[in-house]
Amino acid sequence: KQEVTQIPAALSVPEGENLVLNCSFTDSAIYNLQWFRQDPGKGLTSLLLIQSSQREQTSGRLNASLDKSSGRSTLYIAASQPGDSATYLCAVAGTALIFGKGTTLSVSS
Amino acid sequence: EADIYQTPRYLVIGTGKKITLECSQTMGHDKMYWYQQDPGMELHLIHYSYGVNSTEKGDLSSESTVSRIRTEHFPLTLESARPSHTSQYLCASSVRTGGILEEKLFFGSGTQLSVL
Repeated sequence: KQEVTQIPAALSVPEGENLVLNCSFTDSAIYNLQWFRQDPGKGLTSLLLIQSSQREQTSGRLNASLDKSSGRSTLYIAASQPGDSATYLCAVAGTALIFGKGTTLSVSS
Repeated sequence: EADIYQTPRYLVIGTGKKITLECSQTMGHDKMYWYQQDPGMELHLIHYSYGVNSTEKGDLSSESTVSRIRTEHFPLTLESARPSHTSQYLCASSVRTGGILEEKLFFGSGTQLSVL
């Protein structure tokens, strides 16, 4: 059974720092991996989707990487801003779409 | 990007009431989903649909039911609400980005349900 783990569970950084969020999964037989952002009490917004054949995707200050063989993905956020404060979830698509519990990021000004 | 709408945004209701959570999307996506999320916990799939007249149960058993009479509409119903149903309910739809299972999900804003 696929399990998705996100570390750390929470992270606080000052504005301007570059940071990395981690996502690991136990079954490497996946079709894609998607990173989402969730603001408190709201739905999820898709940030990046990496196909199983790709190694990374970039959107603005965000860069996501995928290493299927080791069961890992990272989300790199450059020059963090207070508006980046949210919970970041990764979801792995295999026979089902499995979500991690998320990393709650707080960026202070 | 998909436009997907959920109503109500918040709902507080007494035990035993029947409720329907609405979800609509305007992008013609065939596949739609309902997820349940408790605070600080992962999302759990409770229902999904491949298209009109298709409904399937997800990974987490749920006392709710769904229907898919129209492509754009995927309502979730609880016949008799209980305090254990208190949670956030998120609706999503998906579009294929490549192969059959390479789907990108778009979420609504969610319904926060509180059953007293």
